[in-house]
Amino acid sequence: GAGVSQSPSNKVTEKGKDVELRCDPISGHTALYWYRQSLGQGLEFLIYFQGNSAPDKSGLPSDRFSAERTGGSVSTLTIQRTQQEDSAVYLCASSPRQSFSGNTIYFGEGSWLTVV
Amino acid sequence: KQEVTQIPAALSVPEGENLVLNCSFTDSAIYNLQWFRQDPGKGLTSLLLIQSSQREQTSGRLNASLDKSSGRSTLYIAASQPGDSATYLCAVTSGANSKLTFGKGITLSVRP
Repeated sequence: GAGVSQSPSNKVTEKGKDVELRCDPISGHTALYWYRQSLGQGLEFLIYFQGNSAPDKSGLPSDRFSAERTGGSVSTLTIQRTQQEDSAVYLCASSPRQSFSGNTIYFGEGSWLTVV
Repeated sequence: KQEVTQIPAALSVPEGENLVLNCSFTDSAIYNLQWFRQDPGKGLTSLLLIQSSQREQTSGRLNASLDKSSGRSTLYIAASQPGDSATYLCAVTSGANSKLTFGKGITLSVRP
């Protein structure tokens, strides 16, 4: 079966433009996570969706960042008015249930964003 | 706030050596701990998951241990190979929303 799929795999955008990053989780996985990985840094939590519950948005760095998950499946991370410091790899992951249940979390290969 | 630390940031060893990668976390109230591998330009692959009630997990040449009370975990790699060269990340699940908090990783290089 397919793993977590992310698109685009690479995106170069001009400062000030909006970008949308897409994540297709593994079919049937109810938990979906977005993380950001900057050069030389660890993974920074952005947002977490679990089923129909309200998402945990506590990691979003500013109001320029938003995410939604339609129909409990595909998720889109939107960055408005991009800044150079937004350049990073954006990683999506999914899990059958909440991570505390002990289910392995599966990562996509990331969307590499460069803001010039 | 949970913080995960992995030291050193990089490690270089000759092929065949047994090695230990360390991970520490500040809040011992975790649900589980996972070790991941990341190859350059790739996503993360889960290697081992240890539940909070467990002490260790083994998979092939890999053995991960967990001492929850002291906030430490180790990943033991036996008979290292050049193909083991990658970045190894430790992550703990904790908090009301079972958030996964990562360390910055240890970049391992195994020299032939």
